[in-house]
Amino acid sequence: QITLKESGPSLVKPTQTLTLTCTFTGFSLSTSGVGVGWIRQPPGKALEWLGTIYWDDDTRYSPSLTSRLTITKDTSKNQVVLTMTNMDAVDTATYYCAHRGRSSSGYYDDYFDFWGQGTLVTVSS
Amino acid sequence: DIVLTQSPGTLSLSPGERATLSCRASQSVSSTYLAWYQQKPGQPPRLLIYATSRRATGTPDRFSGSGSGTDFTLTITRLEPEDFAIYYCQQYGPTPWTFGQGTKVDIK
Repeated sequence: QITLKESGPSLVKPTQTLTLTCTFTGFSLSTSGVGVGWIRQPPGKALEWLGTIYWDDDTRYSPSLTSRLTITKDTSKNQVVLTMTNMDAVDTATYYCAHRGRSSSGYYDDYFDFWGQGTLVTVSS
Repeated sequence: DIVLTQSPGTLSLSPGERATLSCRASQSVSSTYLAWYQQKPGQPPRLLIYATSRRATGTPDRFSGSGSGTDFTLTITRLEPEDFAIYYCQQYGPTPWTFGQGTKVDIK
């Protein structure tokens, strides 16, 4: 059974750096094809993909955030860490981590089939 | 970036009715790379459909997806009370992966 859980601060000040940890069970980030993505959702708004890290250490970031965003993994701890610098009020959102989708035939692709419950991050002084 | 425009913004229907949700892309998306999610208040999104028409594990067969090119559709044949929620499409072809703004299906 795959589970993911986000953890980190609920409140950060403008200009500060946000660090969120995604701790997962039920899969390994050393398995070929596996990936973990980060997606956020401002209150009452739509979903926004931020970035994904893959089993082979490849990462892909949203171009709008690439200068501020870093995603790393610790395979031994089953964790993925998101770091976002220079936080602003517009970054207030629920942040989700999610498992890269795996089809019934075992093929992985960049939709998300398991999601964490999300963590609300408010940016305010 | 590929912009996904979902319509209508809100769909007001009664249980038992058929729901047809549209997702239009600003440029062509391979049918391999289009997914649909359901989200209820206070919950994360739940994957319903991937590769345009393939149901995810646990998705009831009253949900079906279709489409190609720039026009994709999620159909719910007979709405059950638990289907009233917000639905998002996502394209995962060229990065950045993008989501539509959502269609809310509420009870008439």
